Amino acid sequence: EAGVAQSPRYKIIEKRQSVAFWCNPISGHATLYWYQQILGQGPKLLIQFQNNGVVDDSQLPKDRFSAERLKGVDSTLKIQPAKLEDSAVYLCASSLRRGTSVNLYQETQYFGPGTRLLVL
Amino acid sequence: AQSVTQPDIHITVSEGASLELRCNYSYGATPYLFWYVQSPGQGLQLLLKYFSGDTLVQGIKGFEAEFKRSQSSFNLRKPSVHWSDAAEYFCAVARGPNDYKLSFGAGTTVTVRA
Repeated sequence: EAGVAQSPRYKIIEKRQSVAFWCNPISGHATLYWYQQILGQGPKLLIQFQNNGVVDDSQLPKDRFSAERLKGVDSTLKIQPAKLEDSAVYLCASSLRRGTSVNLYQETQYFGPGTRLLVL
Repeated sequence: AQSVTQPDIHITVSEGASLELRCNYSYGATPYLFWYVQSPGQGLQLLLKYFSGDTLVQGIKGFEAEFKRSQSSFNLRKPSVHWSDAAEYFCAVARGPNDYKLSFGAGTTVTVRA
């Protein structure tokens, strides 16, 4: 079974530029998450999708970050314009969960390798 | 909101020695608890998880963790460390049920010396 795919793996941009990250979850996984991991910290949730709808985006800096998941499969996360403090690894994760399932097995999140962003 | 504390930023252990990583959580009810490992340049891999039942949980790669409600802890252990266990380890908590958003600790870096 293929894992969560992310691209690009590395990106260097200058501040005020824009950047986009792509994530392809495990096939059949309804729920998709984007996390931001700043150096020396644990991942922090930015946004959660279930199918193509947003479940939680309370931690997403909406003035500069946006995300979409068209057709309920792939997702893109965009930053425009980027700031120095956006330098981090952006992780995508997916889980099987659909609706209000109480099958705990379905709640395990599987992570992709991440995109490492450096803003200069 | 729930929070996770990993008191040890960095641990060095000799190959073949035992390893214990500490994790404390702050949450009123019994949360769902996870341990993930992250090797350099890699994503996070799930080692084990606790939802309910037996408080001693077995995971992959020879790891186990014990949930202690009285101490609000979920410490990770391995009896004999291999050089390949050098990585960063993250404890995470989800409130559940129906809320599976993960809150992560800051992580513990494990160095294995020969």
